Parts: sequence; C-alpha cells; structure tokens
Amino acid sequence: NAGVTQTPKFRVLKTGQSMTLLCAQDMNHEYMYWYRQDPGMGLRLIHYSVGEGTTAKGEVPDGYNVSRLKKQNFLLGLESAAPSQTSVYFCASSYLPWYDTGELFFGEGSRLTVL
Amino acid sequence: GDSVTQMEGPVTLSEEAFLTINCTYTATGYPSLFWYVQYPGEGLQLLLKATKADDKGSNKGFEATYRKETTSFHLEKGSVQVSDSAVYFCALGAGTGNQFYFGTGTSLTVIP
Repeated sequence: NAGVTQTPKFRVLKTGQSMTLLCAQDMNHEYMYWYRQDPGMGLRLIHYSVGEGTTAKGEVPDGYNVSRLKKQNFLLGLESAAPSQTSVYFCASSYLPWYDTGELFFGEGSRLTVL
Repeated sequence: GDSVTQMEGPVTLSEEAFLTINCTYTATGYPSLFWYVQYPGEGLQLLLKATKADDKGSNKGFEATYRKETTSFHLEKGSVQVSDSAVYFCALGAGTGNQFYFGTGTSLTVIP
C-alpha cells in the first residue's frame, strides 16, 4: 500500500543544473499538488493538477515546470536550479477537491539542496 | 489575503501534560479549517477538520473548535503521549481554489 511516493528523497545540485522530481500515487486520485516547505514559511503551493493532461500555477510557480502525462504521475522540473530553490518538496494527491473532503495525502518529501 | 498563524515552537511537554497549540486565521467568506500532523520521516496526514463555525473536530484524543468570533482553531489534547511527538500544521481552505493555506508548523516533543 504505497500511497504517494516521491523520488528522489535527497538530491544535491549545482546552480544551473536541471532535475526532475517524480511523484507517483496508486490511489487513482484526480488531483495532485506540489508544495515546497521552507523554514518559518509553512507549505506553499507550486503547481497543481486537476486531472491527467492538466496543470495550473499555484502560489510560487516561478522557476518550476510540471507535467501530468499519466494520471498516476506528477513531475516537477527545475530547468536551471538556483540556491533559492533549496527546500523540502512535498507532493500530495486527493480524490476530490480539497473543499469536498479537506484530505490531502502527502508523500514523505524530497530534500533538495542547490549549491 | 487568506492566511493562518500558529504558535511558534518547539514545544516540549512531559507525558500526560495538557497540550494547546494556538492557531488563528484571516479569511474572507467562510473557510474550512484543518489540523495536519507530520510524524518523523513521514508525510503530512489529516488529523481533524471543521467546516463551519462552532464545529468541533476530533481524532486520536485531539480536539479543535472552529471559533468565528475569535478567528481561532486551537488544537488541544488532555494528556499527551510520547507517540504524539510530531510537527503539527494548521491549515485553511477558502473559496473554490485548489489550495490550502498552511501555517508554519509547530514541533512537539513529549518526554517520558
């Protein structure tokens, strides 16, 4: 019973490098989200998806791109990493919009350090 | 804009002590309020929720009451256990947008 799985869990990048974080869920959820967590700032929404083939910007989308080619996967890409993107990234999913149940299912997080 | 503010931690309590973690919110309209918990090495999970004023959410001995007059949703537990050690996040959902507004999290450590 995997739930929401994020890979990789840890990564160190140099400024300017690119990388992709993968989020996979096995619960057949329509909605998927990428958040970042920074000290003293709580979780902030980067991008989200309301279904396969759809994506939308959240609160802090700059410097990131996303894709949802398959319903179960939601990819977060950094084309040219910057030190300001050092953070812990969380993926979440939900079957219904938050306003129906309020329940998001989160992955364990991916810690990214950009030097 | 909409937001939540929760008490800063870390909070350290002895086992069986009473716990309160304060959360206040700012929102237009009629938000729903949530508490999430993150145990070490795990993702966040929903602890409890309240969708309208005066509702009380409860789960695992934790309670929180949605108080519109004080714009608060404080988390309480009468007797904490070591297994309650975690980070607790207050969250708000408003309108029909697909996002929550999370607080900064409060770290709780319970010592035997």
